[in-house]
Amino acid sequence: DAGVTQSPTHLIKTRGQQVTLRCSPISGHKSVSWYQQVLGQGPQFIFQYYEKEERGRGNFPDRFSARQFPNYSSELNVNALLLGDSALYLCASSLVGNQNYGYTFGSGTRLTVV
Amino acid sequence: GQQLNQSPQSMFIQEGEDVSMNCTSSSIFNTWLWYKQEPGEGPVLLIALYKAGELTSNGRLTAQFGITRKDSFLNISASIPSDVGIYFCAGRPTSGGGADGLTFGKGTHLIIQP
Repeated sequence: DAGVTQSPTHLIKTRGQQVTLRCSPISGHKSVSWYQQVLGQGPQFIFQYYEKEERGRGNFPDRFSARQFPNYSSELNVNALLLGDSALYLCASSLVGNQNYGYTFGSGTRLTVV
Repeated sequence: GQQLNQSPQSMFIQEGEDVSMNCTSSSIFNTWLWYKQEPGEGPVLLIALYKAGELTSNGRLTAQFGITRKDSFLNISASIPSDVGIYFCAGRPTSGGGADGLTFGKGTHLIIQP
């Protein structure tokens, strides 16, 4: 069975540009969460979506937005990119919305802003 | 953003030695999770803990949910070369009605010397 898949795996963007990252959860998982992992740090929570609705938001600026589609896949959008947005962006899916079954993470998208 | 206090930051051990790492928080958590992350990959769930005092094993790994609900530890017995990686603790605070994302520690980098 396929795990959590994320695309693209790597990309390079210029300051001020916009980027869209994509995530497909494990089949049957209805909850998707996004995390930002800066080099040398643990992941930081950005968003959680369950049944296509936003269920949680971390301490990130409004430049960050996300949505979940009817097939439970998700996109993370970041506008007006800053150098500090360079990080590994991780998507995690879980079976239910309350997360009491742990997350399964994808391998991430490595974003470099130059 | 908030992060858990995870220690030690790094460990240099000999193959066959036992390993112990812990995580503390100023807030009460209702879930503790331990993940391992290897280069180029997302975190992989090792052990999930849901009750205060719970002691759970997964092969050579043992983790406990502290009685105060503000701490957890992970032990690895008889370390082997494939144990190398970064170990993260993660928890969910009791607030948020289940919609909050995970809070991660900064990680313990385990290095095994031949």
